[in-house]
Amino acid sequence: QSVLTQPASVSGSPGQSITISCTETTSDVGGYNYVSWYQQHPGKTPKLMIFGVGNRPSGVSNRFSGSKSGNTASLTISGLQAEDEADYYCSSYASSTTVVFGGGTKLTVL
Amino acid sequence: QLQLQESGPGLVKPSETLSLTCTVSGVSISSRSYYWGWIRQPPGKGLEWIGSIYYTGSTYYNPSLKRRVTISVDTSKNQLSLKLSSVTAADTAVYYCARLGDKVPAAIGAFDIWGQGAMVTVSS
Repeated sequence: QSVLTQPASVSGSPGQSITISCTETTSDVGGYNYVSWYQQHPGKTPKLMIFGVGNRPSGVSNRFSGSKSGNTASLTISGLQAEDEADYYCSSYASSTTVVFGGGTKLTVL
Repeated sequence: QLQLQESGPGLVKPSETLSLTCTVSGVSISSRSYYWGWIRQPPGKGLEWIGSIYYTGSTYYNPSLKRRVTISVDTSKNQLSLKLSSVTAADTAVYYCARLGDKVPAAIGAFDIWGQGAMVTVSS
């Protein structure tokens, strides 16, 4: 099964851009194409922000973007705003229809 | 309006079986583009996928929980259920049900709709 590694925390100032990485280690490299990102504010339900590596669901700000290079997926938030302060989780949908979540990254807006 | 709502006991004794139900409204659970899943989150910790089920009853489980987990679906009631046996304090968590895209036009591999979550505490 895949293991997804995220940094424990990242921070940035309002208006800046930040990137959160999500590195996959597994023997099933070919299955790391369905990467999703979720935002979770304290005490709230996770919200889907990015799916299929770089696609945004309807209603999600275009300040959020996703990409992938090799075994590392990334979530970039541009024009950082105070409301972006939250926990962010990546996930991978691998073969055999299994799902793995990364450990989560706490984003602090300074 | 598409909604998922978890329900079940908020307190379970150690060694007993945790049972939760997720009622889906606003869409048929028999949609061919989606699986339906359970995810949990211990207090102060990250998300953990428990397992997923298709409307036909096909299931996929997290290998670390597979021996203790059973997920089932009742298409007549538009519900899915979770049973986790032999629980310990480590199973204390918020349990979410969510819709998982599997085929286009769904968001493949993504949980796009979540329930509000049900807090379950394992304690005697």
